[in-house]
Amino acid sequence: GAVVSQHPSWVICKSGTSVKIECRSLDFQATTMFWYRQFPKQSLMLMATSNEGSKATYEQGVEKDKFLINHASLTLSTLTVTSAHPEDSSFYICSASDYVSSGGSYPNEQFFGPGTRLTVL
Amino acid sequence: GQNIDQPTEMTATEGAIVQINCTYQTSGFNGLFWYQQHAGEAPTFLSYNVLDGLEEKGRFSSFLSRSKGYSYLLLKELQMKDSASYLCAVRAPDSNYQLIWGAGTKLIIKP
Repeated sequence: GAVVSQHPSWVICKSGTSVKIECRSLDFQATTMFWYRQFPKQSLMLMATSNEGSKATYEQGVEKDKFLINHASLTLSTLTVTSAHPEDSSFYICSASDYVSSGGSYPNEQFFGPGTRLTVL
Repeated sequence: GQNIDQPTEMTATEGAIVQINCTYQTSGFNGLFWYQQHAGEAPTFLSYNVLDGLEEKGRFSSFLSRSKGYSYLLLKELQMKDSASYLCAVRAPDSNYQLIWGAGTKLIIKP
């Protein structure tokens, strides 16, 4: 299967600062990347869908000015949490999808990164 | 609207068999995925069904009935490491590859 990495794996920051999380597809080109947020004991919540070279599509209720997403290349997408507050503390997970070059067994199978745990003090 | 239902929690015994059900009501259907997620980790792919019937892969099998909007994940010969959350997700047509996620079923395996 394809490999997706995320960096950093965990981060602690002060309230009001910005944090950037990187998501990379290591051995395939990801035309589409997804950003999820997961609070403890809850399921994945899709925040936005990111297509290379175009603006991200945000889910209802997700502030696009607070969660900046950039998908500048076929192997890299970044999520920047601006002016982070304690309520933004969560587990952020990215996934990447591309049937053609990822070697996935199924159409548009999503490959997940290991996640980034953000704690805002 | 889009809705996917799974039991919140299930308990089973090591070595036994457990079936985790998933029902969905979505505007269209283009495949159903099952993922496993251990606490504090990202989900990992288990199975994919797009046609009716049973797909078997080792100790895990997944079944789909599109007419009933129903799927189940069957885990055999349960091991302690199978303790995890199991997520059901449906892809709707023309969804830009998005998946609609169930809340997940937490499976607890007891010795």
